[in-house]
Amino acid sequence: AQSVTQLDSQVPVFEEAPVELRCNYSSSVSVYLFWYVQYPNQGLQLLLKYLSGSTLVKGINGFEAEFNKSQTSFHLRKPSVHISDTAEYFCAVSSTSNDYKLSFGAGTTVTVRA
Amino acid sequence: DSGVTQTPKHLITATGQRVTLRCSPRSGDLSVYWYQQSLDQGLQFLIQYYNGEERAKGNILERFSAQQFPDLHSELNLSSLELGDSALYFCASSVASGRPQETQYFGPGTRLLVL
Repeated sequence: AQSVTQLDSQVPVFEEAPVELRCNYSSSVSVYLFWYVQYPNQGLQLLLKYLSGSTLVKGINGFEAEFNKSQTSFHLRKPSVHISDTAEYFCAVSSTSNDYKLSFGAGTTVTVRA
Repeated sequence: DSGVTQTPKHLITATGQRVTLRCSPRSGDLSVYWYQQSLDQGLQFLIQYYNGEERAKGNILERFSAQQFPDLHSELNLSSLELGDSALYFCASSVASGRPQETQYFGPGTRLLVL
């Protein structure tokens, strides 16, 4: 089974500052990794995903994440945040087998202040 | 707008009752997934259907059941409701068989309150 730990439950950040959201995963098999965003009162939206290949993944809205297999991490970064990035962010993992199950972390709430 | 619709948006009911949540996937998507989001347990995968057949099961209680109809819409049935079932229930869809790497598109959710 796979599991995800998001190391920060809340991250306050000023507008135009960089942000990093930390995600560590645990799995005995190969994994796919995902970051989703949930804006207030909305469903989840995929930001980016790592399937294979380059360990640096670029997503929507200027976000990127780096897969580090040795550290079992998949941290999300944005060099300059906007007020509109205020949301909850979820890291998720699934195995690469066809036995599908997507496991989510507890979420990190990002609050961007002017 | 993801293209996934869920009804109703809000549902208030009493303990012991039964409710049905409905989901219409994006046009052309064959897989439907159900998730439960609660404060104490976070976001949990419940069940997946692909083209009418159950494909994967997660942490779904025996009191809960789901199905996917020939027109590909899905319903999640929750029975003998308890206070702890109060949560936000999401439906998501993906284009094909639900291979792990497929992108899932989430609906806006149904907020269930059990009193």
